[in-house]
Amino acid sequence: AQKVTQAQTEISVVEKEDVTLDCVYETRDTTYYLFWYKQPPSGELVFLIRRNSFDEQNEISGRYSWNFQKSTSSFNFTITASQVVDSAVYFCALSEKEGGSYIPTFGRGTSLIVHP
Amino acid sequence: GAGVSQSPSNKVTEKGKDVELRCDPISGHTALYWYRQSLGQGLEFLIYFQGNSAPDKSGLPSDRFSAERTGGSVSTLTIQRTQQEDSAVYLCASSLDSNRGVTGELFFGEGSRLTVL
Repeated sequence: AQKVTQAQTEISVVEKEDVTLDCVYETRDTTYYLFWYKQPPSGELVFLIRRNSFDEQNEISGRYSWNFQKSTSSFNFTITASQVVDSAVYFCALSEKEGGSYIPTFGRGTSLIVHP
Repeated sequence: GAGVSQSPSNKVTEKGKDVELRCDPISGHTALYWYRQSLGQGLEFLIYFQGNSAPDKSGLPSDRFSAERTGGSVSTLTIQRTQQEDSAVYLCASSLDSNRGVTGELFFGEGSRLTVL
């Protein structure tokens, strides 16, 4: 079973639409970390955010916002007023202390296409 | 720059040949990861190095894959007797110490695209 599920394989929107990327995770640890990374067409993954399991506060950074809900094991990512430059593959990742090391496990990614 | 550097960026090889992929992490980062990204797939963990500890090799798909990290810095991923299913982008990432219970962000290189004909 996948530890990180990104059910949306591809999302296509028109510029200025809001879009939410879903991420559901599975863990038995009480201490864990969640991440979002962006992989633009150029290929290099770029870190967007990290949350620890004890901090359920939602976070907003410009047009980006994240909704962490432990009750549903979800860590969703919303882009408000999307732009063409937001087109990329977005990965959600879970880091838990399995075997003594916090090795991040990544979801399969959601490809976001923003049309002008 | 001071980012994670990987070489070669592209490698085309024939089935059965050995290949070596190199990763130069960010200076001071003690943790180093190798992941593999196949077309349409997520990132598949391969191996993890942390300081002088024994590496976590639990993600290596077969004994044709091996990796080493010399002097706690540069790492080399070796694939012996390559097969067509080994074709993928091999990503290296580094981060600050993760064994203190705090896992920092991973800094990724641009990857090495391997094509096995």
